[in-house]
Amino acid sequence: QEQLVESGGGVVQPGTSLRLSCAGSRVSFSSYAMHWVRQAPGKGLEWMGTISHNGNQKYYAASVKGRFTVSRDNSKKTLYLQMNSLRPEDTAVYYCARDVSPITDLGMRFEDWGQGTLVTVSS
Amino acid sequence: EIVMTQSPLSLSVTPGEPASISCRSSQSLLYSNGYNYLDWFLQRPGQSPQLLIYMVSTRASGVPDRFSGSGAGTEFTLKISRVEAEDVGVYYCMQARQIPVTFGPGTKVDIK
Repeated sequence: QEQLVESGGGVVQPGTSLRLSCAGSRVSFSSYAMHWVRQAPGKGLEWMGTISHNGNQKYYAASVKGRFTVSRDNSKKTLYLQMNSLRPEDTAVYYCARDVSPITDLGMRFEDWGQGTLVTVSS
Repeated sequence: EIVMTQSPLSLSVTPGEPASISCRSSQSLLYSNGYNYLDWFLQRPGQSPQLLIYMVSTRASGVPDRFSGSGAGTEFTLKISRVEAEDVGVYYCMQARQIPVTFGPGTKVDIK
């Protein structure tokens, strides 16, 4: 099981930027695709984005496309979520999750999850 | 976008009794390879979600065999044969047939 630890959350003003990180623990971090999923307070789960094992393929939810960017540094075993032009409706706990495949646009699997990091967008 | 619905949205169960949750998708989750891409997650209170079942009926590692999944196409079911106290939480179905991946609204299960 992969241990995933998110960080970088906090309280920010609308229109500003924030970068979240997700640190993996296994050497094989570079072998699988990674995902970001968020959960607004008291609400359900919403997929945000996915990146392939080597970073060459990325997919985004329509609600964040053009504002959020998923990236990874396999040498640091770390996944990132760069969030720009933040809105109050982006307030949520953000989870990273590990897939079991290196590339996935069919059959994404959220095998292991981090504990989440809270982002609050408020003036 | 595939819309996922679940029923019921809340469920109160006596320990030792069975429980069942239904999930429906607005489009078929069957791919040409013969697989249906429907997963189930449990989010216990205050915790991250955990994968219970993937591809309709395969239990994730460490998931007790009292959990089972079935269905095909657009209708799916998660069954708990004998509910235990640790099964309390919100259950989500999720389709991975196409991007964007979408989740159901969740079914909250508590103990009577």
